Amino acid sequence: GAVVSQHPSWVICKSGTSVKIECRSLDFQATTMFWYRQFPKQSLMLMATSNEGSKATYEQGVEKDKFLINHASLTLSTLTVTSAHPEDSSFYICSARLNPDGYTFGSGTRLTVV
Amino acid sequence: DAKTTQPNSMESNEEEPVHLPCNHSTISGTDYIHWYRQLPSQGPEYVIHGLTSNVNNRMASLAIAEDRKSSTLILHRATLRDAAVYYCILSTSGTYKYIFGTGTRLKVLA
Repeated sequence: GAVVSQHPSWVICKSGTSVKIECRSLDFQATTMFWYRQFPKQSLMLMATSNEGSKATYEQGVEKDKFLINHASLTLSTLTVTSAHPEDSSFYICSARLNPDGYTFGSGTRLTVV
Repeated sequence: DAKTTQPNSMESNEEEPVHLPCNHSTISGTDYIHWYRQLPSQGPEYVIHGLTSNVNNRMASLAIAEDRKSSTLILHRATLRDAAVYYCILSTSGTYKYIFGTGTRLKVLA
């Protein structure tokens, strides 16, 4: 089946630094990808929708300057958390839309900001 | 966006069937019903989906009410590996966004 490879699986960074998370679609082209954030014991919260070659669409309350999304190719989308702070510590998950319907999800990235 | 309502948690004994309910009273005619599950520290994985008719696959069965305002995910024989959070999601026509509800945390007892 269609697989999205997400890296890194976990990362620890210092407060004030930036972290990049990558999601690659394997064996298929992902025109549309989504980024979610999940806090412990909570559900997934959609952060943004990215379409290849165009600007991402952010959900209400998500800072676009803090969470930079790039979807420059049909197989790669990246999320960069800029100037990370401890409150950005979370589990970040990407997903890709499949044709004709359904989605496949990455394995997630656990970000810890110290 | 059409919303779903699920019980926060359920328990089942190993080797017994499990029925996970989902209410979606505001579903529209073109919304598909999707079920995903999430194991600890992993991304969600696809379980099953349907539109109007009941569906079966290797993992589970999906029973959809005639009025489509509710559905039930059926795991025929729960195993310890089925312990996860199960999400019932409606695909939102036109926007293709998945909006996750709270899901049901399934605990399987040995």
